[in-house]
Amino acid sequence: AQSVSQHNHHVILSEAASLELGCNYSYGGTVNLFWYVQYPGQHLQLLLKYFSGDPLVKGIKGFEAEFIKSKFSFNLRKPSVQWSDTAEYFCAVTPNSGGYQKVTFGIGTKLQVIP
Amino acid sequence: DTGVSQDPRHKITKRGQNVTFRCDPISEHNRLYWYRQTLGQGPEFLTYFQNEAQLEKSRLLSDRFSAERPKGSFSTLEIQRTEQGDSAMYLCASSPGLVGSNEQFFGPGTRLTVL
Repeated sequence: AQSVSQHNHHVILSEAASLELGCNYSYGGTVNLFWYVQYPGQHLQLLLKYFSGDPLVKGIKGFEAEFIKSKFSFNLRKPSVQWSDTAEYFCAVTPNSGGYQKVTFGIGTKLQVIP
Repeated sequence: DTGVSQDPRHKITKRGQNVTFRCDPISEHNRLYWYRQTLGQGPEFLTYFQNEAQLEKSRLLSDRFSAERPKGSFSTLEIQRTEQGDSAMYLCASSPGLVGSNEQFFGPGTRLTVL
């Protein structure tokens, strides 16, 4: 069974600082990877996803993530955060082996951006 | 709004009572999922439907929990004889079930408080 580990549970940054949130997964085969975001008072929404191809994936609102297969990692980055990026971020993984596969989420990282 | 909807948004009940939640997925999405999320955790998978067939259930889903999707459209999640440990956010998600795509679209959740 797959698992996901998010290293930082609570991150506080000033506006314009750079962001990197760590995500490592455990699974022996090929995977699909996701980052979901939950803004205060809103429901989970997809930020970006990796299925195959270019390991550097660009998502909405200037976010990107890089899949490094050798490190089983899918870290989320943004060069300059804004106050509106304050939210909780969840990394998720599912095996990429055809048909339905269960999505496993990490524990989440709460990001607080200070103006 | 054509997103996933859930009803009710909040439910307060006394221990021992039965509760039922409803989820309306995005139309034409044939896959539907239920998750539970507690404070400080990511969503935990409960069960999955493809059309009306319940294809997977987590061991988290005790015999007090039952889910249905009778016509392959909306779904209900019932908890019998609620316990304080059932207090959580119950999330519903749907996906189109396309081969190679596991992107899930989440609803706003039902927050259950068991007194």
